[in-house]
Amino acid sequence: AQSVTQLGSHVSVSEGALVLLRCNYSSSVPPYLFWYVQYPNQGLQLLLKYTSAATLVKGINGFEAEFKKSETSFHLTKPSAHMSDAAEYFCAVSFSGNTPLVFGKGTRLSVIA
Amino acid sequence: DAGVIQSPRHEVTEMGQEVTLRCKPISGHDYLFWYRQTMMRGLELLIYFNNNVPIDDSGMPEDRFSAKMPNASFSTLKIQPSEPRDSAVYFCASGSGRLNTGELFFGEGSRLTVL
Repeated sequence: AQSVTQLGSHVSVSEGALVLLRCNYSSSVPPYLFWYVQYPNQGLQLLLKYTSAATLVKGINGFEAEFKKSETSFHLTKPSAHMSDAAEYFCAVSFSGNTPLVFGKGTRLSVIA
Repeated sequence: DAGVIQSPRHEVTEMGQEVTLRCKPISGHDYLFWYRQTMMRGLELLIYFNNNVPIDDSGMPEDRFSAKMPNASFSTLKIQPSEPRDSAVYFCASGSGRLNTGELFFGEGSRLTVL
């Protein structure tokens, strides 16, 4: 079955350190890939998306993600974490046609001062 | 635009009571989704509509759950009777165009607690 997996339900980094949140998918066809962010007591909002153009995608707030077909991955990175980055991050995939997104279980990012 | 509007933001009810959650999508969007978020199961798609027509309700947990979209600007998710295991945050989201390339816009959620 096609699925999306986020490795690590909780990641903790120091302020100023690299942020790396992992996402892998299983699919026999190239998917469309998304990262969403959820701040406490709020809905999800789009960070960035990959739709078969450039494999390196830049999003809001300094985040970027790279689509690696050989590794079936779409990891999210940010060079320097800020306290305001503390939130829950969701990787989402759409595998084919006009089908709804499938969300990963989320990774909670904590940023330590 | 005001974004996706959900009500109520918080609902506390007793087991057996009827619960109705409401959603107003962004004007012009032709897709509407209902998701449920829990710690154990993450974000689950319950049902989605296209042009007010239910397309896939396979995520609805059981017959106690029902959803309607009487017009393009309003949808409801009803639970009758409610049970403690229904406690969760319920999100409504809307979007337009192709689902696999378009952005979903989420409301702030309705936090349901069933005692």
